[in-house]
Amino acid sequence: NAGVTQTPKFQVLKTGQSMTLQCAQDMNHNSMYWYRQDPGMGLRLIYYSASEGTTDKGEVPNGYNVSRLNKREFSLRLESAAPSQTSVYFCASSEALMWANSYEQYFGPGTRLTVT
Amino acid sequence: AQKVTQAQTEISVVEKEDVTLDCVYETRDTTYYLFWYKQPPSGELVFLIRRNSFDEQNEISGRYSWNFQKSTSSFNFTITASQVVDSAVYFCALSLLRLNAGGTSYGKLTFGQGTILTVHP
Repeated sequence: NAGVTQTPKFQVLKTGQSMTLQCAQDMNHNSMYWYRQDPGMGLRLIYYSASEGTTDKGEVPNGYNVSRLNKREFSLRLESAAPSQTSVYFCASSEALMWANSYEQYFGPGTRLTVT
Repeated sequence: AQKVTQAQTEISVVEKEDVTLDCVYETRDTTYYLFWYKQPPSGELVFLIRRNSFDEQNEISGRYSWNFQKSTSSFNFTITASQVVDSAVYFCALSLLRLNAGGTSYGKLTFGQGTILTVHP
């Protein structure tokens, strides 16, 4: 199993350009998440999808959109990139089963995005 | 709102020293979940341990041990006899389980700022 995969690994954009970050998981998890990591601030939740067909805003959703394409795939789109969106983006998935006592999230390798 | 604080920004130790990473959390929920993740220089996030709020049993796994105390809202992590390979950023995180409209449970992680651990040979 590959776990959680993300593409691309690196990307440089100019201000105003758009792009989509792709994420896929092969663990049959219901829930998927997008986080951004900035120096000294830990990871912050951008959007999440509790299950296929649903998406919700997290802590820092402005400037982003998401699509839960199917159970496996969850994409993050920057419509008009800004320098403030320079960050490392992580996708994660989890199977939050109360009765299974297993809620940890598994993370992809990350996408390092620079907006100039 | 939930909050996780890792007061130690950076820790530097010499190999074989013991080191404890502190984590303090805030939540009004009585049921919650705590995690430690490791981020080595390669950048990936590696899950280390999960603890439920109703399970205060502390755990030892090899050189790692965890001390969970609800009374002080702390979930500290200790590495015994540190090694150079332990050098990484360590994140403490808190999750509350929720149910969406469709009845699916999910958990959103709130991370601390991270502690950079450097182990010198």
